[in-house]
Amino acid sequence: DVVMTQTPPSLSVAIGQSVSISCKSSQSLVYSDGKTYLHWLLQSPGRSPKRLIYQVSNLGSGVPDRFSGTGSQKDFTLKISRVEAEDLGVYYCAQTTHFPLTFGSGTKLEIK
Amino acid sequence: EVQLQESGPGLVKPSQSLSLTCSVTGYSITSNYWGWIRKFPGNKMEWMGYISYSGSTSYNPSLKSRISITRDTSKNQFFLQLNSVTTEDTATYYCARYILDYWGQGVMVTVSS
Repeated sequence: DVVMTQTPPSLSVAIGQSVSISCKSSQSLVYSDGKTYLHWLLQSPGRSPKRLIYQVSNLGSGVPDRFSGTGSQKDFTLKISRVEAEDLGVYYCAQTTHFPLTFGSGTKLEIK
Repeated sequence: EVQLQESGPGLVKPSQSLSLTCSVTGYSITSNYWGWIRKFPGNKMEWMGYISYSGSTSYNPSLKSRISITRDTSKNQFFLQLNSVTTEDTATYYCARYILDYWGQGVMVTVSS
């Protein structure tokens, strides 16, 4: 299985600050069609996960542009600019390039 | 609007089978891929398997022969059966579209005698 290593495991940030989360995969996530199927999800407290970003850098429906994704091959980053209170929760990266689908271990974002 | 809703018992005894239903509205399950994902106590997430638009299935090898995903297209529902459960199967179970854009609200299942 592709191992997804997420860091840091937790973050505490003040409202208005920016933050980055890293996700590294044990194999390249470039599929045979040339696309990279790396996604970012947020699970807010008491809610089901929500897809924020798909295929590295595409914003999901209704996701504010404070969220951005970058990266390639095996190294990916989620950046949140100007953190807001509603951004707290657990962030996951996930890959659907290789079978089986695998998730990162999660990054818990707390608001100071 | 696409909505998914899980249903099923919240408590299952060890060695028994866990059975859950996912009811989908706003989108036909005869299109795309539909699956089950679980989140263990803590943050670990595990993809369990999916059923495709044609009814073919794919399962996480970690679950070996314990898992079965089926569907009823007339009701736009798909189902999870996990056999021979142990306490390690205690988790919140989600149904979701495979591309992870639509999720159910989740159902917490505890395996305990």
